[in-house]
Amino acid sequence: GAGVSQSPSNKVTEKGKDVELRCDPISGHTALYWYRQSLGQGLEFLIYFQGNSAPDKSGLPSDRFSAERTGGSVSTLTIQRTQQEDSAVYLCASSSIPGLSTEAFFGQGTRLTVV
Amino acid sequence: DQQVKQNSPSLSVQEGRISILNCDYTNSMFDYFLWYKKYPAEGPTFLISISSIKDKNEDGRFTVFLNKSAKHLSLHIVPSQPGDSAVYFCAASGSYGGSQGNLIFGKGTKLSVKP
Repeated sequence: GAGVSQSPSNKVTEKGKDVELRCDPISGHTALYWYRQSLGQGLEFLIYFQGNSAPDKSGLPSDRFSAERTGGSVSTLTIQRTQQEDSAVYLCASSSIPGLSTEAFFGQGTRLTVV
Repeated sequence: DQQVKQNSPSLSVQEGRISILNCDYTNSMFDYFLWYKKYPAEGPTFLISISSIKDKNEDGRFTVFLNKSAKHLSLHIVPSQPGDSAVYFCAASGSYGGSQGNLIFGKGTKLSVKP
């Protein structure tokens, strides 16, 4: 498809386990964003990749969270030693040329449940 | 510290009337503002945007107004329809620090349009 694709759509994991969430952005989009939405909360910024620039990691809540973007395309968000408070919907978005026009297209999200 | 604030968590409007959703921001370096709409279990979808060089942008039933001096923007929907019922997120971006193009979201306002 032509949209942002995220996998898995749902993930249930045991507390303490590591999880990897995947995002396939729209082809050609240079910017990629990760957000999470906890129950009843807004969109919390996690990390932002733009081209070859160093990513903006200022939103990552702890050092258990990391993300990488290989070849300027697919991105993986890794959460180590998951905690119950990590339960949320993790949303990925991509956009073409940030700056003047930063319309970002979102995927459907990955619902993570830590039990 | 929230840079983008949506102080009304919910809004209820009668069908056919005007819906006004408000958003305030604190960072004067923001120069592009967007509104997203989110239905349950779906990713946010782009609705309308405005550059800081303008004070109004209109697209069909949706109009966004920007008051730079007050650091305030609003989304007007007229006439409101039941299908407009969703959570609306305000977002802002700009060239500041090392994070050009990053999108910062508010916590959202849940709009309910009653038939």
